[in-house]
Amino acid sequence: SQQGEEDPQALSIQEGENATMNCSYKTSINNLQWYRQNSGRGLVHLILIRSNEREKHSGRLRVTLDTSKKSSSLLITASRAADTASYFCATDGPRNTNAGKSTFGDGTTLTVKP
Amino acid sequence: GAVVSQHPSWVICKSGTSVKIECRSLDFQATTMFWYRQFPKQSLMLMATSNEGSKATYEQGVEKDKFLINHASLTLSTLTVTSAHPEDSSFYICSAANPNEKLFFGSGTQLSVL
Repeated sequence: SQQGEEDPQALSIQEGENATMNCSYKTSINNLQWYRQNSGRGLVHLILIRSNEREKHSGRLRVTLDTSKKSSSLLITASRAADTASYFCATDGPRNTNAGKSTFGDGTTLTVKP
Repeated sequence: GAVVSQHPSWVICKSGTSVKIECRSLDFQATTMFWYRQFPKQSLMLMATSNEGSKATYEQGVEKDKFLINHASLTLSTLTVTSAHPEDSSFYICSAANPNEKLFFGSGTQLSVL
């Protein structure tokens, strides 16, 4: 079964607004990664956050991780039309359970209107 | 950061032919690689785990004779879609785990079978 579940499934905002996407997972993780995928294209790695980290920034991106709630959020500030894409979280598990398999969530489709 | 190269980015082939997709870890040795499949507007589904020097482990419902995986070296795993048919048309993506079990993803291959 899918480990990660993103919400919302779809998000539509105006350019300049902030976009927040959430990811929940079920089992322990080593790290959690956020990816972006433009329609029909490959995945672009955005941020990796380790299980012992709580927050990470990269440009206009801010990722938080709450291991007690098994959830992560991706915040895109001052969104641009070019941010329109699908965003996925992916988790990998500890060595002794799922051998590092990474499991993708269902993704959030973000549309930023100019 | 680590780079995983996937080739080709896209391929169009006739029904009945076989298609090989390569996944290379460019700057680390990957004892384990993973192959995923993605249908339009859906999440990535793990197909199989590729282990260097041993047989791949396939997820339930994935035909191992249809999707041949070879991981002959620490930097290369290949997925061969044998006797491809239109229903095999999909987006295929690989990921590689470095010795610290961090996962890095290729950019994906769009397969279209006519």
